[in-house]
Amino acid sequence: DTGVSQDPRHKITKRGQNVTFRCDPISEHNRLYWYRQTLGQGPEFLTYFQNEAQLEKSRLLSDRFSAERPKGSFSTLEIQRTEQGDSAMYLCASSYPLSYEQYFGPGTRLTVT
Amino acid sequence: AQKITQTQPGMFVQEKEAVTLDCTYDTSDPSYGLFWYKQPSSGEMIFLIYQGSYDQQNATEGRYSLNFQKARKSANLVISASQLGDSAMYFCAMREGRTGTASKLTFGTGTRLQVTL
Repeated sequence: DTGVSQDPRHKITKRGQNVTFRCDPISEHNRLYWYRQTLGQGPEFLTYFQNEAQLEKSRLLSDRFSAERPKGSFSTLEIQRTEQGDSAMYLCASSYPLSYEQYFGPGTRLTVT
Repeated sequence: AQKITQTQPGMFVQEKEAVTLDCTYDTSDPSYGLFWYKQPSSGEMIFLIYQGSYDQQNATEGRYSLNFQKARKSANLVISASQLGDSAMYFCAMREGRTGTASKLTFGTGTRLQVTL
């Protein structure tokens, strides 16, 4: 399978704990996006990388959130001091340099108790 | 203001019938793209169809077609010959800027489609 993969698929954590999610994009894709989807809503943009450079961040990405893409391949999204409001599906997508289509991974569902 | 508006929270359609899912958008950028994604209960977002703002013809992909009315800023998805497997959430999304420029997608709130026998 050469699609976008995300790990873990599900994460349950207690409020105040830190969590980290990983996204492996399709290998030829140099663009990588993170979105967050809460229940009953469409995905909302969080941040975007071109190669290893983080080029755009949403206001949704508070200082408790940090994302990296150290070698321009996989990316990690860390949430520090989780809050119940962080409970959501975190989606990763990647795309070719000149393509309009973003390919989405299966998502990581986070539940903060 | 909402950039993407989907006014139908839920729709029902009988198997083999056609159904139209509504989407209106708002942008001042002359270059933009409109997308439809399907999200089954398993959660992954499946790309269905794309329409660029400068495309002269409505996009079609198999049983999916996009009814693009630029002056009305609408981009409705038409699914012909509905199948039970079409039951899912459907999201309309927009990218602002020229194709090839990196740009986030802005999504609507979605329409849940139920296909019945």
